[in-house]
Amino acid sequence: ETGVTQTPRHLVMGMTNKKSLKCEQHLGHNAMYWYKQSAKKPLELMFVYSLEERVENNSVPSRFSPECPNSSHLFLHLHTLQPEDSALYLCASSQEVASSYEQYFGPGTRLTVT
Amino acid sequence: GQNIDQPTEMTATEGAIVQINCTYQTSGFNGLFWYQQHAGEAPTFLSYNVLDGLEEKGRFSSFLSRSKGYSYLLLKELQMKDSASYLCAVIDSNYQLIWGAGTKLIIKP
Repeated sequence: ETGVTQTPRHLVMGMTNKKSLKCEQHLGHNAMYWYKQSAKKPLELMFVYSLEERVENNSVPSRFSPECPNSSHLFLHLHTLQPEDSALYLCASSQEVASSYEQYFGPGTRLTVT
Repeated sequence: GQNIDQPTEMTATEGAIVQINCTYQTSGFNGLFWYQQHAGEAPTFLSYNVLDGLEEKGRFSSFLSRSKGYSYLLLKELQMKDSASYLCAVIDSNYQLIWGAGTKLIIKP
């Protein structure tokens, strides 16, 4: 248990569906992250939030839309996804957004797009 | 471009020692992390090196040579529960975290 929870743990959706991933951290951290993890590939940083403000958006397609209503919660809204978007989506948090801080990861949402 | 190289997969025997290497070519260096990730679980922090040398933490040690762009994670007295993927990540000169693809370690009895 890392103090970061994610729901759902598994999600199967069609290309025309709309769904949302949820992340919550109970650590009092100020920074939160969304990563995409595909088999045998490095973690891909998607979005970074610091105190509810987006500080980084790494050329992620607009079919992925993040939302950070407060420093403890992070959402990833999904719509009209493609099969290549199937992957493990990991949420993480750290004390501050500086990369020298250890990141605490949630267990991930295994997404399958059919 | 920036690159982190780790072996894709390694196999070792319970009770033995294994060394997982990580070489990096990045625009600058501001630190290196090792994380452990069991199948279906979250990555968890193992170590952070910013200066050259060996950092020991129980059965796990991490070594860094900045001049060689090289790090390794040393696992001693291997246990079955050490079967996992081990991720290397480097902080570059822009303070971006660059991740390797991970090394899957299989422990056999």
